[in-house]
Amino acid sequence: NAGVTQTPKFQVLKTGQSMTLQCAQDMNHNSMYWYRQDPGMGLRLIYYSASEGTTDKGEVPNGYNVSRLNKREFSLRLESAAPSQTSVYFCASSSKGEYSNQPQHFGDGTRLSIL
Amino acid sequence: QKEVEQNSGPLSVPEGAIASLNCTYSDRVSQSFFWYRQYSGKSPELIMSIYSNGDKEDGRFTAQLNKASQYVSLLIRDSQPSDSATYLCAVRRAGGTSYGKLTFGQGTILTVHP
Repeated sequence: NAGVTQTPKFQVLKTGQSMTLQCAQDMNHNSMYWYRQDPGMGLRLIYYSASEGTTDKGEVPNGYNVSRLNKREFSLRLESAAPSQTSVYFCASSSKGEYSNQPQHFGDGTRLSIL
Repeated sequence: QKEVEQNSGPLSVPEGAIASLNCTYSDRVSQSFFWYRQYSGKSPELIMSIYSNGDKEDGRFTAQLNKASQYVSLLIRDSQPSDSATYLCAVRRAGGTSYGKLTFGQGTILTVHP
């Protein structure tokens, strides 16, 4: 049981390049999330998807887009990477949706550096 | 005021001592509370969840919730060097358009020294 799988694990980009971070979960969860983690700032929500076919902005959505491809997969795209987007990105998923007490399960993260 | 605030660290305790980690939150409609542990370079892993006022114990870990004071804490008894990590407090609002979203504190770094 893999849980939440993120690819790639590491990536270095040049300013202005684009890329897509991939996330897939095999726990049949409805909800999926993308976070970024910067030193001293905890985890900040970028986008989330409460269920297949829906996506919504989180706390720090600027510069990012997402696609909920199907129930399993939720991708995060940087259209024109900027050095301020250098961070560790985590994907997470949880069962049910609104009113849920279920915790979120995290992938191993993608360490992204933008030069 | 931050939505979720944790006591500033780093926190250093000797092996075998009790480590106390604190978290306050600003939104009174918060419903669910979670403690995650994150080792350096790794992803957060859930160690405790609590939904009702009072204490919840799981092995060496005890979570305490006081909704009136908007306060949640994590106690680690008989601390071990392997407990050295960053501890993240996370809070979920009740109802509305929360869709299970969590708000995280900034984390407290715990070091347990032999």
